[in-house]
Amino acid sequence: QKEVEQNSGPLSVPEGAIASLNCTYSDRGSQSFFWYRQYSGKSPELIMFIYSNGDKEDGRFTAQLNKASQYVSLLIRDSQPSDSATYLCAVSGYSTLTFGKGTMLLVSP
Amino acid sequence: GAGVSQSPSNKVTEKGKDVELRCDPISGHTALYWYRQRLGQGLEFLIYFQGNSAPDKSGLPSDRFSAERTGESVSTLTIQRTQQEDSAVYLCASSQGPREVYEQYFGPGTRLTVT
Repeated sequence: QKEVEQNSGPLSVPEGAIASLNCTYSDRGSQSFFWYRQYSGKSPELIMFIYSNGDKEDGRFTAQLNKASQYVSLLIRDSQPSDSATYLCAVSGYSTLTFGKGTMLLVSP
Repeated sequence: GAGVSQSPSNKVTEKGKDVELRCDPISGHTALYWYRQRLGQGLEFLIYFQGNSAPDKSGLPSDRFSAERTGESVSTLTIQRTQQEDSAVYLCASSQGPREVYEQYFGPGTRLTVT
């Protein structure tokens, strides 16, 4: 059973701070890693994907992957109240894709 | 371009009735997925279609659930003899290739309420 673990939160940060969202996974053969954002009552939307060890930056978002430690993280710089949502981590292996249950982020003004 | 579309957006049905939910994937996307999300819960995988391969039905919770896809186009999810525990948002997603490689794009969902 391939597992993807996320702290359910809520993770509370003040506006302007860096929010750090973490995800661990059990399958060492995992190849692709995705972060989705889901606002309450809406469907998930893709934020970023990462395939290689290291950092990948896109605007205020940075995905970090460490395959040796089996974790992937998402950093959100200069957090805004509009970033308040649930963030889902998804990890793929051989012919599989597993979603974590998500971390709720609350950014207070 | 057009995203994933789903219909209906809301469906209220009586316990014991059958329902059909429809998904139109992004044009050219070979993979299509159905998920269920109960209120306040995570995504629950139901079924995965990839091209002409046999679908992965491992997530279907019971034999009351079935899904079809014709080629690389529309898919329908059918729930027979609906139960109150079937109440949830049913999400469809598509990707341009296999799930282990490509990112998924989600439709807006169908909110199913079984009374």
